[in-house]
Amino acid sequence: DSGVTQTPKHLITATGQRVTLRCSPRSGDLSVYWYQQSLDQGLQFLIHYYNGEERAKGNILERFSAQQFPDLHSELNLSSLELGDSALYFCASSVVTGAPNGYTFGSGTRLTVV
Amino acid sequence: GENVEQHPSTLSVQEGDSAVIKCTYSDSASNYFPWYKQELGKGPQLIIDIRSNVGEKKDQRIAVTLNKTAKHFSLHITETQPEDSAVYFCAASYSNSGYALNFGKGTSLLVTP
Repeated sequence: DSGVTQTPKHLITATGQRVTLRCSPRSGDLSVYWYQQSLDQGLQFLIHYYNGEERAKGNILERFSAQQFPDLHSELNLSSLELGDSALYFCASSVVTGAPNGYTFGSGTRLTVV
Repeated sequence: GENVEQHPSTLSVQEGDSAVIKCTYSDSASNYFPWYKQELGKGPQLIIDIRSNVGEKKDQRIAVTLNKTAKHFSLHITETQPEDSAVYFCAASYSNSGYALNFGKGTSLLVTP
């Protein structure tokens, strides 16, 4: 157990729908990063939050959004889902921005869009 | 943006042999280079990292070397064991990006007994 908790582990939904993925970082970690892993694109950075504030955006589609709450958990919202959004979604946390000891990844949410 | 190339995509070695995975990066601003191991059904796990002010780092059977001039870094695993079988990812990032990681495509390592 890495200490980073992601729920749900699996999610199957239809095209056009909206889903919310949840991440609880390790105790004491203020930074949360979201990544998407697919067979064709590999691991891609989506977005980074630090202590409730958005810090950086990567290849995140406009249909996707995220936020980090006062208790530091984070949610990734995916809307108007397409077949191509099927992927593993990981969050990772670190104590501070800068990850002096590297990130810790959760075990991911596998999203299947049918 | 940063582009990280990783080779080989698959690697098969016999138990006890060494394994080497190589990565190149494009952005000279990158200053942090971690390596992750991902086992089936799990998230990536940090195994070693190196910063740009260091040329080599070792942790037991694992070592990483960095050549900033050539913009490449390598992972060396010695005395490989079957439990080393996994997918390995290199990544590069820099402080101004908040250390968002740019990953290579991964190397599937198989260690046969």
